[in-house]
Amino acid sequence: DQQVKQNSPSLSVQEGRISILNCDYTNSMFDYFLWYKKYPAEGPTFLISISSIKDKNEDGRFTVFLNKSAKHLSLHIVPSQPGDSAVYFCAAHGSSNTGKLIFGQGTTLQVKP
Amino acid sequence: KAGVTQTPRYLIKTRGQQVTLSCSPISGHRSVSWYQQTPGQGLQFLFEYFSETQRNKGNFPGRFSGRQFSNSRSEMNVSTLELGDSALYLCASSSSGGKTEAFFGQGTRLTVV
Repeated sequence: DQQVKQNSPSLSVQEGRISILNCDYTNSMFDYFLWYKKYPAEGPTFLISISSIKDKNEDGRFTVFLNKSAKHLSLHIVPSQPGDSAVYFCAAHGSSNTGKLIFGQGTTLQVKP
Repeated sequence: KAGVTQTPRYLIKTRGQQVTLSCSPISGHRSVSWYQQTPGQGLQFLFEYFSETQRNKGNFPGRFSGRQFSNSRSEMNVSTLELGDSALYLCASSSSGGKTEAFFGQGTRLTVV
């Protein structure tokens, strides 16, 4: 049972434009969400997180939006840069007070110069 | 602050052997989680340790085990290796585990031949 889903395996955008990566979840008990960026053969790099008590969190070029009623979150990258090309994972804390993260399958972002 | 350190970076083992991977978390972090990444299954949670106790466990066979030491360093062990155990093994540390950011190491690439 895939509790966290990233339905778009890949996304291609032009440099300078907005990249929007989407993530859906099924478990209404999830209350903390994170986005990671990953290059091949390396560990994921933490980007931004959001608690379920918020609907938006912003950090520089990265903004995460959370729609609890739709069980949907999205990551916006503005403006997109070629260095942003990587695999992006969304993750949810599996249960309160533990370190278990449940990951989506990832979306490969390509930013074209 | 030093990041999460995993050793070794690469390993090649033969079927039937056992292997031990090591993870040193960020100083002050007490939660260490382990994940397996394969092309077909994505990032799968193995287990989490907090203050030397296993706090959570994923759906992996008993051949996969781990432990945490008093300095929060963690090891995971895989016995009787199978070809399907070939994967990138990632360790993540966080301060408390719940509702906080988790930071990943570079991973250990295990190849079973």
